[in-house]
Amino acid sequence: GQNIDQPTEMTATEGAIVQINCTYQTSGFNGLFWYQQHAGEAPTFLSYNVLDGLEEKGRFSSFLSRSKGYSYLLLKELQMKDSASYLCAVRDSNYQLIWGAGTKLIIKP
Amino acid sequence: ETGVTQTPRHLVMGMTNKKSLKCEQHLGHNAMYWYKQSAKKPLELMFVYNFKEQTENNSVPSRFSPECPNSSHLFLHLHTLQPEDSALYLCASSQDRGGSDTQYFGPGTRLTVL
Repeated sequence: GQNIDQPTEMTATEGAIVQINCTYQTSGFNGLFWYQQHAGEAPTFLSYNVLDGLEEKGRFSSFLSRSKGYSYLLLKELQMKDSASYLCAVRDSNYQLIWGAGTKLIIKP
Repeated sequence: ETGVTQTPRHLVMGMTNKKSLKCEQHLGHNAMYWYKQSAKKPLELMFVYNFKEQTENNSVPSRFSPECPNSSHLFLHLHTLQPEDSALYLCASSQDRGGSDTQYFGPGTRLTVL
């Protein structure tokens, strides 16, 4: 079966750095997405990785290792507004998105 | 504001009611999706439409009936639902079905079935 694993919940301090991991086992691989979802709102696109390595976008970076079936989302200089759920999703060989259950990130002052 | 709107935002219905959820995208996309999101579970893909044609139905019970009259509008007709169908229903769209196409989501309809 296809599976995406990510921690259920993480806590971090305002101003700090946090890394949210995602491991996957899918039928084929055609890219990995990270989305942010604030409570009661739509998931919004953060990043897309299809090649190994690090993609940086301001305070957010996403890393991919296809050989290890592993990705992480790195958030720097955490702000209170970063409190949200972070969803990892992998596009399989049929171009269907397989979703993780999401990681709820709690930022404390 | 993602360019995808959904109405209503909240819906409470009895098991014998019939209701419809509406989704509209203003992005000029060709693919539209219905997802179910339950607490602490992964997003479940329900239906996919590409150029108005249904391309996927992930074993969804017949009490959920989608309709896509054009590439900008998507409906989910609900009939004789069960309490376990209570969830957040998300609509999404993408340029096409595949590649690096990013899906853009609406805010969802929070459905409660009594």
